[in-house]
Amino acid sequence: GAVVSQHPSWVICKSGTSVKIECRSLDFQATTMFWYRQFPKQSLMLMATSNEGSKATYEQGVEKDKFLINHASLTLSTLTVTSAHPEDSSFYICSARAGLGDYGYTFGSGTRLTVV
Amino acid sequence: GNSVTQMEGPVTLSEEAFLTINCTYTATGYPSLFWYVQYPGEGLQLLLKATKADDKGSNKGFEATYRKETTSFHLEKGSVQVSDSAVYFCALTSSGNTPLVFGKGTRLSVIA
Repeated sequence: GAVVSQHPSWVICKSGTSVKIECRSLDFQATTMFWYRQFPKQSLMLMATSNEGSKATYEQGVEKDKFLINHASLTLSTLTVTSAHPEDSSFYICSARAGLGDYGYTFGSGTRLTVV
Repeated sequence: GNSVTQMEGPVTLSEEAFLTINCTYTATGYPSLFWYVQYPGEGLQLLLKATKADDKGSNKGFEATYRKETTSFHLEKGSVQVSDSAVYFCALTSSGNTPLVFGKGTRLSVIA
């Protein structure tokens, strides 16, 4: 079936540094990828919609200059958390639709970011 | 806008008990409905789905029926196992390339 590979699975970084998270669609082309953030014991909050070859669409309240999204190819989307701070610590998950007729969404395994 | 409301947990059951997790939705048109499961420290896995009214999604002993008249998609399982312990999310989408809208999630703990 359709697989989205997300890396790294966890990362610890110092305040003020930047962290890049990658999501790759392994056996399909993902023209659109969605980035979510999940706080402990809470639901997934949509951060942005990433479209191949164009600018991402950010949800209200999400800082586009802090969470840089690049979708340069049909199989790769990246989220870069710039100048990270402890409040950015969270679980980040990407998702893509595998082009199935029944709205099959596939999720990456998630990245746990801890900023110290 | 679209929204999903699901029962808040945590839910604690003994092994072999019957499970129901309620989910209701608000949406325009005819959304597709999903249940996802998240095991500790992992991403989301699709558990089951239904794309039109009266459809029943089923997988691994779990079932949910798309009820348009009550705007519901309750998750059920006749006999839960310890390995079913996870967080369950109800979700919907109104069209093919729009993001999923999730409920808040229900944590299920099954004890032996």
